[in-house]
Amino acid sequence: RKEVEQDPGPFNVPEGATVAFNCTYSNSASQSFFWYRQDCRKEPKLLMSVYSSGNEDGRFTAQLNRASQYISLLIRDSKLSDSATYLCVVNSPNQAGTALIFGKGTTLSVSS
Amino acid sequence: DAGVTQSPTHLIKTRGQQVTLRCSPKSGHDTVSWYQQALGQGPQFIFQYYEEEERQRGNFPDRFSGHQFPNYSSELNVNALLLGDSALYLCASSYQNRAHGYTFGSGTRLTVV
Repeated sequence: RKEVEQDPGPFNVPEGATVAFNCTYSNSASQSFFWYRQDCRKEPKLLMSVYSSGNEDGRFTAQLNRASQYISLLIRDSKLSDSATYLCVVNSPNQAGTALIFGKGTTLSVSS
Repeated sequence: DAGVTQSPTHLIKTRGQQVTLRCSPKSGHDTVSWYQQALGQGPQFIFQYYEEEERQRGNFPDRFSGHQFPNYSSELNVNALLLGDSALYLCASSYQNRAHGYTFGSGTRLTVV
């Protein structure tokens, strides 16, 4: 089982739509959770951290369910500029380090 | 404020050759992680360096090795290149081995022919 698994894409939605991405992780010791955004041929950039109580940043809402080891990202009122690949990321802690492990990514295409 | 700098930006190598990629972390950062991203895939963790030691390693063969220097910069070396090593190699820096605050460089695009 992969450490981080995401919804297969691509998601093709019209402007103004609401879209949800889901992700599961396998390491119950993970403590840090993120959504990163990656534009075509660019480096990943942090979109938002994900907290146990859930958190919102404008049109973006992230949720975490530790019991189910499940993370979600909701995007409301999609904009053309939201078109990108969204990467679910968790840390993989051990005594020596805490590397970030990325999912395969889900591609979102927003059209007018 | 200097971000993460990677060199070279593009590289073409022949099967069997060796390659060295370089990374300078963001100012104030002391931890460097390396990732391989094949087309259509998410970044795959190769290894992480902190205090000049390899702290964690992903599922990559011994052909992949690295080093961190006292100024926190890092190198990724790949020996005996295979066609399948063609990918974007990303370097990320952070502070004191923490999961938060990762900053990525623009990557080195390696093509093996």
